[in-house]
Amino acid sequence: DIQMIQSPSTLPASVGDTVTLTCRASQNIDTWLAWYQQRPGKAPKLLISKASNLESGVPSRFSGSGSGTEFTLTISGLQPDDFATYYCQQYENHWTFGQGTKVDIK
Amino acid sequence: QLQLQESGPVLVKPSETLSLTCTVSGDSIGDLYYWGWIRQSPDKGLEYVGVIDSDGNTYYNPSLKSRLTLSIDTSKNQFSLNLRSVTATDTAVYFCARTRGSGSFGDYWGQGALVTVSS
Repeated sequence: DIQMIQSPSTLPASVGDTVTLTCRASQNIDTWLAWYQQRPGKAPKLLISKASNLESGVPSRFSGSGSGTEFTLTISGLQPDDFATYYCQQYENHWTFGQGTKVDIK
Repeated sequence: QLQLQESGPVLVKPSETLSLTCTVSGDSIGDLYYWGWIRQSPDKGLEYVGVIDSDGNTYYNPSLKSRLTLSIDTSKNQFSLNLRSVTATDTAVYFCARTRGSGSFGDYWGQGALVTVSS
């Protein structure tokens, strides 16, 4: 099984900050990686696919990069709506999700 | 606008079968996409359950394969999950989602249904 490890688990931040979340795969997944945002009590919302492809309607302050085993999600200029938990998901072999990074208010 | 809605019993007894249906509106389930189930619990986080295509081809999480059956009814625009011999570890919020392939990601999700396994 491919394991996905996200860091940090919690990221305190302020409105306007630029934050970077990291996701590491236990083996090479090329760019078969998606990022989601989840607010409490809601379903995950797809932000990025294929490591760096921004989904339609997702603000351009979100960006993704990486390939192989190391990936990042960057939020440039954090907005109040962005305080949420973010998950990465590999789809190179079945699906595996990371444990999440919670971006909360500093 | 595509919408997905899970429905089914919220409480299931241990050793029985967990059954959920996802009703899709706003698009035909028989088109190009695949349809999946994902569950989320505090212990295991987000966990892939399985995916089915409009022809009924299925792709299961290997850890659940022996207990799992996915089915699809294109005439009703619905797809379903049956998980047999459940235990407390199957307690979770179950999400249905549209995916772009068997090895893909969920681009539209239902709101989720909490299913508790308890006697």
